[in-house]
Amino acid sequence: ETGVTQTPRHLVMGMTNKKSLKCEQHLGHNAMYWYKQSAKKPLELMFVYNFKEQTENNSVPSRFSPECPNSSHLFLHLHTLQPEDSALYLCASSQEFDTDTQYFGPGTRLTVL
Amino acid sequence: SQQGEEDPQALSIQEGENATMNCSYKTSINNLQWYRQNSGRGLVHLILIRSNEREKHSGRLRVTLDTSKKSSSLLITASRAADTASYFCATEGNNDMRFGAGTRLTVKP
Repeated sequence: ETGVTQTPRHLVMGMTNKKSLKCEQHLGHNAMYWYKQSAKKPLELMFVYNFKEQTENNSVPSRFSPECPNSSHLFLHLHTLQPEDSALYLCASSQEFDTDTQYFGPGTRLTVL
Repeated sequence: SQQGEEDPQALSIQEGENATMNCSYKTSINNLQWYRQNSGRGLVHLILIRSNEREKHSGRLRVTLDTSKKSSSLLITASRAADTASYFCATEGNNDMRFGAGTRLTVKP
């Protein structure tokens, strides 16, 4: 167990749906991350939160909206997604940003129909 | 743009043999990390090596880093069938982290 949990593990949604991915870390870390892993592409960093403040938005479309209400929880709100958004979405956390090891959750497998 | 690039893209060996995977990158880094991903599951952190380190060991894993050549290698000794997975290197610079496409390792029993 890595101490980082993600729900749901699998999600199928239509292009007009609104859904949210949840990530929770039980490690007392200060930084949290959202990554996207598509089938034939390298892992892509999407968002970074450091002490609940967003420090990076890696040119992610606005149909992805992150929320970090506290240092233990991270959400990714999804709306009007496209089929090419189907991927594995991974959450990670680290004690501090930029210098520490990141610990990953199991991911949410998202399919957009 | 993609930073870490692993090679080979796929590697198939027999149980008991050693497996070596390489990673090259383009810009300055603070550290480099290796991860394993089993099929359909999240990433598992293996080892972190800082830019001022040249070699680190963890169990059957040995990682080297050559900052002059901007490359790293991951050696898995005495491989087991359970080592079958994809292995990624990730480079961490200032305010960014980049993953390569990974090496798919298959260890045949």
